[in-house]
Amino acid sequence: GQQVMQIPQYQHVQEGEDFTTYCNSSTTLSNIQWYKQRPGGHPVFLIQLVKSGEVKKQKRLTFQFGEAKKNSSLHITATQTTDVGTYFCAVTSGTYKYIFGTGTRLKVLA
Amino acid sequence: DGGITQSPKYLFRKEGQNVTLSCEQNLNHDAMYWYRQDPGQGLRLIYYSQIVNDFQKGDIAEGYSVSREKKESFPLTVTSAQKNPTAFYLCATRDRGTDTQYFGPGTRLTVL
Repeated sequence: GQQVMQIPQYQHVQEGEDFTTYCNSSTTLSNIQWYKQRPGGHPVFLIQLVKSGEVKKQKRLTFQFGEAKKNSSLHITATQTTDVGTYFCAVTSGTYKYIFGTGTRLKVLA
Repeated sequence: DGGITQSPKYLFRKEGQNVTLSCEQNLNHDAMYWYRQDPGQGLRLIYYSQIVNDFQKGDIAEGYSVSREKKESFPLTVTSAQKNPTAFYLCATRDRGTDTQYFGPGTRLTVL
């Protein structure tokens, strides 16, 4: 079945440093979504990308969809302790199914 | 997120017992989902339901069962046939307009 690879699995950064997580697929994607899960919490939707080469920003977060629509990235500029959590990408498989990446767990050291 | 409730938050069960996890939503979403999350792992789909009285197996349905008698409710039963049931269980709905998922707070199941 369709798989989505996400790297890195873990990332520890000093507060103020940047952070990037990547999502890769072997097949062309119709769209890609990003979710954040705080420690002990549940995933919360961040954004959806649909167009080839699309770039969207949410304050310090920048999301990018590859030109070939097979990969995506989430970049956080100047991390803060509030950014701690696990970031997941997700793709749709058919109309109703979602496939989640394995997630990148971010720890921010103050 | 505030429109999806899962109960209980923590659940303990003895080996060999069936247990039912509750999921209720007031978002008026047609589609509902159950995911399993193990420590340090992603989300794996157990079952999903597109509409009332209809549901499909996900990637890891063995040892689980569901029902969808009402639009608002999608309970998950973890049966004794599930060999390794200790995990964090997340219920979700799908917003048809935005194609995004909303998650409940989850139930953490521990088998003793």
